[in-house]
Amino acid sequence: SQTIHQWPATLVQPVGSPLSLECTVEGTSNPNLYWYRQAAGRGLQLLFYSVGIGQISSEVPQNLSASRPQDRQFILSSKKLLLSDSGFYLCAWSVEDSYGYTFGSGTRLTVV
Amino acid sequence: QKEVEQNSGPLSVPEGAIASLNCTYSDRVSQSFFWYRQYSGKSPELIMSIYSNGDKEDGRFTAQLNKASQYVSLLIRDSQPSDSATYLCAVPNYGGSQGNLIFGKGTKLSVKP
Repeated sequence: SQTIHQWPATLVQPVGSPLSLECTVEGTSNPNLYWYRQAAGRGLQLLFYSVGIGQISSEVPQNLSASRPQDRQFILSSKKLLLSDSGFYLCAWSVEDSYGYTFGSGTRLTVV
Repeated sequence: QKEVEQNSGPLSVPEGAIASLNCTYSDRVSQSFFWYRQYSGKSPELIMSIYSNGDKEDGRFTAQLNKASQYVSLLIRDSQPSDSATYLCAVPNYGGSQGNLIFGKGTKLSVKP
């Protein structure tokens, strides 16, 4: 069966510090991978998606970046965090859009 | 701009009642519709998908789709306190990012014992 792992679960980082969040998927090949952010009291905002190794599309201009070094690994990064980067970061995977997404457990990031 | 609209709530129902959650969408070509449940502090969990007009039942949950009215709903029968959560409606963003789902902002449901 397919599983998705996301870590860390919580993170408190100072403004200006770097960020690296990792997501891995097991039990499937060539999944579509997504990074979403959910700010407090707000909806899900798509940040990045990837349909294959090295293929990254950005939905929202920001100081975040994403990489997919391996088929089932998706990394979200930042060189310098802003206060506005605080939120709940969710990784998700799908085979195709008609089957919906499966989300990871999420990382709650607080930038202080 | 393609949109998915939900009443933010909170929707409060007594235990044992039917909870009705509604969602409208703007893209007429949408073919797949999803309901996610998100408990406070947790990630969304897919609970229902529906592709054809009419009703789809799964246990206490029934999804209803009316493509002509661009309306999808989720009924929860015999509501339990454990159903208290935020329910998100989602539709694929056809013509946009590959595999991108557009999510509504969710309806918060509270089931009172």
